Amino acid sequence: GESVGLHLPTLSVQEGDNSIINCAYSNSASDYFIWYKQESGKGPQFIIDIRSNMDKRQGQRVTVLLNKTVKHLSLQIAATQPGDSAVYFCAENITGRRALTFGSGTRLQVQP
Amino acid sequence: EAGVTQSPTHLIKTRGQQATLRCSPISGHTSVYWYQQALGLGLQFLLWYDEGEERNRGNFPPRFSGRQFPNYSSELNVNALELEDSALYLCASTRGEGGPQETQYFGPGTRLLVL
Repeated sequence: GESVGLHLPTLSVQEGDNSIINCAYSNSASDYFIWYKQESGKGPQFIIDIRSNMDKRQGQRVTVLLNKTVKHLSLQIAATQPGDSAVYFCAENITGRRALTFGSGTRLQVQP
Repeated sequence: EAGVTQSPTHLIKTRGQQATLRCSPISGHTSVYWYQQALGLGLQFLLWYDEGEERNRGNFPPRFSGRQFPNYSSELNVNALELEDSALYLCASTRGEGGPQETQYFGPGTRLLVL
């Protein structure tokens, strides 16, 4: 996957606002996508996934949108809370391929 | 139920040495994945083990190797350590029924520092 070096893109939002984290994926054949959250000092934690036969999927306070035309994935977090502060990674897979490909991540900072 | 555990939490080695990292999956999980996360970068896939067999290997040199034991725990070995091997090494486990598209549960990682 691609990388952006040592400086992660950072999104800073106010507590209570909605957050939108974006991810561009590279392989038009990818048919499965997943978002992970990684808090400082911890391993990644599953948030939500979506398959390519869908363009939207909702979870608790989170929504994932998939635009296959422009190969773009987004994670929307409603009413962002301080506990949402973390690095968020998207990952993609093609059915039959034996590994996920992770993006380089976006840091979300929630201001109280 | 205990999550994925990894040991040690931190490991300091010098160039040329060998490192051994360990992972215990969630009880009932048979698949283990290893990833390398260099500072500020995303996760790079290293190895996938399922039912004791290596199922896939990422684009890493042969000095990165591992194995999975009959109790499904796993070991990652890195030989001839280089400075650029300094990273957080993450292990994840799954039930082993769906391959990479099955939800992976991650451990807290082992921070390896090569001096």
